[in-house]
Amino acid sequence: ETGVTQTPRHLVMGMTNKKSLKCEQHLGHNAMYWYKQSAKKPLELMFVYNFKEQTENNSVPSRFSPECPNSSHLFLHLHTLQPEDSALYLCASSRAGTGDGETQYFGPGTRLLVL
Amino acid sequence: AQSVTQLGSHVSVSEGALVLLRCNYSSSVPPYLFWYVQYPNQGLQLLLKYTSAATLVKGINGFEAEFKKSETSFHLTKPSAHMSDAAEYFCAVSDRGQGNLIFGKGTKLSVKP
Repeated sequence: ETGVTQTPRHLVMGMTNKKSLKCEQHLGHNAMYWYKQSAKKPLELMFVYNFKEQTENNSVPSRFSPECPNSSHLFLHLHTLQPEDSALYLCASSRAGTGDGETQYFGPGTRLLVL
Repeated sequence: AQSVTQLGSHVSVSEGALVLLRCNYSSSVPPYLFWYVQYPNQGLQLLLKYTSAATLVKGINGFEAEFKKSETSFHLTKPSAHMSDAAEYFCAVSDRGQGNLIFGKGTKLSVKP
């Protein structure tokens, strides 16, 4: 596998379920990101991890819980979601989140539907 | 605060015609600027980026963009559209010293035969 992979690609869950999204990067990067892409809204940055430490939480509700066990893996744990949380969740990685114009590389996303 | 405005949520061109997708940014200092493309059911792929070297930046698939500080613009162009260019295009900005990207709302490009 190369680049950034995400599993599952599609997920349907009820509001009382607990599920997790997984992201893995094979690029040797040290920064990883979670974004939410909804229809008719710009991509929203949710969380940033640099060298496994969370450096950004963009006022995300606590029903979304990120986990970064190492620089190659990023999880997004979901529980008691709402229908408005239905969206495409994108993971990205970069060399490091130092703000030197580094490129972010994106995975294909997980399409989430909350019923 | 940084922001990005993409004029036109949907642009339609004929195959072989010029592609022009507009992006204006707001930033207190010269920023880094990016154009990403998203094909259906895929993630975002970098087309090109401006990091303060040449103001005219060439990217993949024949696209280029010009950084114009006086106009706070970073418009994306391609001389001749191809059917395979049909996709959604996103402009993004980040400030120096800050790794986070701020995205525009995107422009969906359609290419007519």
